Amino acid sequence: DVKVTQSSRYLVKRTGEKVFLECVQDMDHENMFWYRQDPGLGLRLIYFSYDVKMKEKGDIPEGYSVSREKKERFSLILESASTNQTSMYLCASSDWRGSGANVLTFGAGSRLTVL
Amino acid sequence: GNSVTQMEGPVTLSEEAFLTINCTYTATGYPSLFWYVQYPGEGLQLLLKATKADDKGSNKGFEATYRKETTSFHLEKGSVQVSDSAVYFCALSHTNAGGTSYGKLTFGQGTILTVHP
Repeated sequence: DVKVTQSSRYLVKRTGEKVFLECVQDMDHENMFWYRQDPGLGLRLIYFSYDVKMKEKGDIPEGYSVSREKKERFSLILESASTNQTSMYLCASSDWRGSGANVLTFGAGSRLTVL
Repeated sequence: GNSVTQMEGPVTLSEEAFLTINCTYTATGYPSLFWYVQYPGEGLQLLLKATKADDKGSNKGFEATYRKETTSFHLEKGSVQVSDSAVYFCALSHTNAGGTSYGKLTFGQGTILTVHP
């Protein structure tokens, strides 16, 4: 069964801490995405990557950075966590290459609380 | 820009009732349209999709038709079950010349469905 695995289901951090959220996929997918999910706002794209070491900003990149050193791993970094970054973070991947429907496969999510 | 609007929730139904969740979109070009479902404690999973106008996506008794003239992709099911209780998200994929969108998806705000026995 294909999988997107997020390393932490629940995290509690303090304001100002550096936070790493890790995501690994075993499908050899080219594209990987980080979304945050908030009630009433749906999913909003933070960053995505279409190749190793390549990254693009999504709709809400402020306060976040990402790293993709290997094809299967995409990390989301909060350099200095703030309370307004308390949220559910969802990682996804796809092998879309320009035609057909782009189907994303999601991880189970990481719920981050910043105190 | 691209956007997706879903009907306000939450939606509460009795088992075997008919379900409609409205979804309309704004997009340039010809996006693909999706419904994803999120069961409690899980990530999102694809429920159904449609890639061009008048296509009907279907899965697990759910259906949605890609209506370009009304820019809609409403989700329907004739008889819901308690196990259908979940959050439902409508989404569209970005398309642009040169394929540089990398298939980003824009999601609606989600609709919580609760089905009672």
